[in-house]
Amino acid sequence: EAGVTQFPSHSVIEKGQTVTLRCDPISGHDNLYWYRRVMGKEIKFLLHFVKESKQDESGMPNNRFLAERTGGTYSTLKVQPAELEDSGVYFCASSQADRWRSTTQYFGPGTRLTVL
Amino acid sequence: AQRVTQPEKLLSVFKGAPVELKCNYSYSGSPELFWYVQYSRQRLQLLLRHISRESIKGFTADLNKGETSFHLKKPFAQEEDSAMYYCAPGEYSSASKIIFGSGTRLSIRP
Repeated sequence: EAGVTQFPSHSVIEKGQTVTLRCDPISGHDNLYWYRRVMGKEIKFLLHFVKESKQDESGMPNNRFLAERTGGTYSTLKVQPAELEDSGVYFCASSQADRWRSTTQYFGPGTRLTVL
Repeated sequence: AQRVTQPEKLLSVFKGAPVELKCNYSYSGSPELFWYVQYSRQRLQLLLRHISRESIKGFTADLNKGETSFHLKKPFAQEEDSAMYYCAPGEYSSASKIIFGSGTRLSIRP
């Protein structure tokens, strides 16, 4: 079974440009999460989709970040315009929906974003 | 507020020595505690969770609600244990977000 995949693995852009990150969750996983780790800091939650709906977007830093999950399959995270402080590693994770027990989140390899 | 503290950024021990990675949490509600690990050039992966009460790769972690701790332990460290370890509480029986600690880099010396 394929795990969570993310594209690209690394992106280098200039300040003010736009970047779109993609995440393909494990097939059948309704829950999809975005996290990020900026330099020297903890891994922080960004948002959570259940199918195509945003369940929790409390971690989104500002309106330069836009996440979508059309059709409830893959998700994109767009940063527009990118700023220097957006540099870091962006992780995607997915899990199955099961209301009776805790759910394990499976992580992708991450996308390393460098904003120059 | 939900918070998790891993006081050690780096822990270096000799192969064969015992290992203890400390984790303290502050969490309202009913947390489930996880330890995630990231080996060099690999993705972040679940190591163990307290509800399973299992030992994975020789590691165990006991949830101490009185001390609000969830320390990760292994009696005899192996070189392949070198990695970044994250303590992470999440909401029990929910698919909600995980709160990650700052992580502890474990380095096993031969």
